[in-house]
Amino acid sequence: EVQLVQSGAEVKKPGESLKISCKGSGYSFTNYWIAWVRQMPGKGLEWMGIIYPGDSDTRYSPSFQGQVTISADKSISTAYLQWSSLKASDTAMYYCARHPSSRTWVYFDYWGHGTLVTVSS
Amino acid sequence: DIQMTQSPSSLSASVGDRVTITCRASQGISTYLAWYQQKPGKVPKLLIYDASTLQSGVPSRFSGSGSGTDFTLTISSLQPEDVATYYCQRYNSAPNTFGPGTKVNIK
Repeated sequence: EVQLVQSGAEVKKPGESLKISCKGSGYSFTNYWIAWVRQMPGKGLEWMGIIYPGDSDTRYSPSFQGQVTISADKSISTAYLQWSSLKASDTAMYYCARHPSSRTWVYFDYWGHGTLVTVSS
Repeated sequence: DIQMTQSPSSLSASVGDRVTITCRASQGISTYLAWYQQKPGKVPKLLIYDASTLQSGVPSRFSGSGSGTDFTLTISSLQPEDVATYYCQRYNSAPNTFGPGTKVNIK
């Protein structure tokens, strides 16, 4: 069974750093792109970027380029989303999601349960 | 970037009604379009991909159509469990933009 298990909720202060994770299981992690999607409170879904764990090829939305870093450790089947200096506006639910194939541009067939990030002084 | 719009932004319909949601791309995207359902407090779920292919396990009352710039999601007979927000997503090129969503309620 394909599963994407995300790390737990985080409460941080502005300016702090953070790295959240998404561990894949039940499939060959290195062969499927993983995406990160933001959902701010009461708002819609925003595509942030994707990573191919096999070679760490990464693509970012222009809206998120330079604001976050997406990475992966294929040895432990885990993708990451990290911030070096959080802002209050980063408060959101963050989902990881999987592509159904090795195609770069495709929809998502499996989603993680989400990681709620709260940034508040 | 190619922008995605959806209409209406919300709707209320009765159980058993036929419901149609429209998604429009600012440029042609062939059939590189998916539809997701997000129930309140839940994770998004894939309903339709490649504009008209029903994801395995999704009830047949859901259907999708369209190509190029104009797409529709139809619920043939609305059920109480269909209360959710529905999002379209293009995936022809980066960034794989989502539409703003359509909230569906029961009248």
